[in-house]
Amino acid sequence: EVQLVESGGGLVQPGGSLRLSCAASGLSVSSNYMSWVRQAPGKGLEWVSVVFTDEKSFYADSVKGRFSTARDNPKNTVYLQMNSLRVEDTAVYYCARLTNWGGKFDIWGQGTMLTVSS
Amino acid sequence: SYVLTQPPSVSVAPGQTARITCGVNNLGSKSVFWYQQKPGQAPVLVVYDGSDRPSGIPERFSGSNFGNTATLIINRVAAGDEADYYCQVWDNNSDHYVFGTGTKVTVL
Repeated sequence: EVQLVESGGGLVQPGGSLRLSCAASGLSVSSNYMSWVRQAPGKGLEWVSVVFTDEKSFYADSVKGRFSTARDNPKNTVYLQMNSLRVEDTAVYYCARLTNWGGKFDIWGQGTMLTVSS
Repeated sequence: SYVLTQPPSVSVAPGQTARITCGVNNLGSKSVFWYQQKPGQAPVLVVYDGSDRPSGIPERFSGSNFGNTATLIINRVAAGDEADYYCQVWDNNSDHYVFGTGTKVTVL
């Protein structure tokens, strides 16, 4: 069974940093396009980032320069490093598999909650 | 910025047909994907490439995409279809993935 499991969420003060993890089973993160999508409380979905098989990454304008992605292939895990956090980054962060460039998100994790507050 | 506009809510009686629209200029030239999200759960892909369905998604779910509007159609609506629905495309100008504003479907 293919599964994505996020972890690492929590409470962080504005300006702080946090790293989210997405552990995959049933698929290899090194040969898939892995993405992060977030959802603020009571709001809609917002795409955050994608990391490609060649390690190239793209980011939403709202997080560019503050967030970065990385992969640990032996651990089959993708990470989202979040720096200079803002109150408006508060959201549930989902890890998702992107089927192809310009394509769809067909596998999703259950999400992990980040709260940025003083 | 690229905004996909959806109606905030759609209400439908059981057994009837729900139509959820998603609009932006020239949307018909793009591949549109639709997701269902029930409260407290992750989104689930229900329709892709306009009208195809992943395995396990009922045939009651279909889509169309023409001109400036894509439409998710849910036939014979059941109580279990009550959820938020989002459209999604890839904006090739910005290399960004964009979700629609979301539509809450209520089964009366």
